[in-house]
Amino acid sequence: ETGVTQSPTHLIKTRGQQVTLRCSSQSGHNTVSWYQQALGQGPQFIFQYYREEENGRGNFPPRFSGLQFPNYSSELNVNALELDDSALYLCASSGGRDTRSYEQYFGPGTRLTVT
Amino acid sequence: GQNIDQPTEMTATEGAIVQINCTYQTSGFNGLFWYQQHAGEAPTFLSYNVLDGLEEKGRFSSFLSRSKGYSYLLLKELQMKDSASYLCAVIVAGNNRKLIWGLGTSLGVNP
Repeated sequence: ETGVTQSPTHLIKTRGQQVTLRCSSQSGHNTVSWYQQALGQGPQFIFQYYREEENGRGNFPPRFSGLQFPNYSSELNVNALELDDSALYLCASSGGRDTRSYEQYFGPGTRLTVT
Repeated sequence: GQNIDQPTEMTATEGAIVQINCTYQTSGFNGLFWYQQHAGEAPTFLSYNVLDGLEEKGRFSSFLSRSKGYSYLLLKELQMKDSASYLCAVIVAGNNRKLIWGLGTSLGVNP
């Protein structure tokens, strides 16, 4: 059973650019949640995808968008990057049959730096 | 609004017991998690409480009082490797699994 993977691990972008972050959910999990974690802060919920549809969204502007694919992997897209978007972006999968479905398994994260 | 409060920092000695408190005010409640996060790493699951009472798992225990909007994580026989941030998170009622997170409590364990 493979765990949650994310790519890339680190990324440096310039203000105004666009970025796509990728996440492969744990085998058997149908739900993916994305979080933004600034240094020294707790994770902030961006949105969640369940069976390819957005299933809840936090307080993030529309320039944060996402997708979930039929294999339940997911992408987070951020347009018009701002300096404050610099953070660790975490992906978590859940919903497997072999675990309590509410438990979230986190990937290692993507460290995004916007200059 | 949604609010979760935890102490920012705590320190304790190796071998001791430490209790990390969490209070919450949320629009709904479908359960409370505790996660451990070492610096530079992703959070890892420690416990889940949805009913009042104490859940024990090895050296770690978690307690919930829904009427008081209160939980604590109890760590026994502290080890140096327990130095980490401990995050409290609440599943807000609804069809999704949206988690509201506290800012985390940074625990330092001294020899």
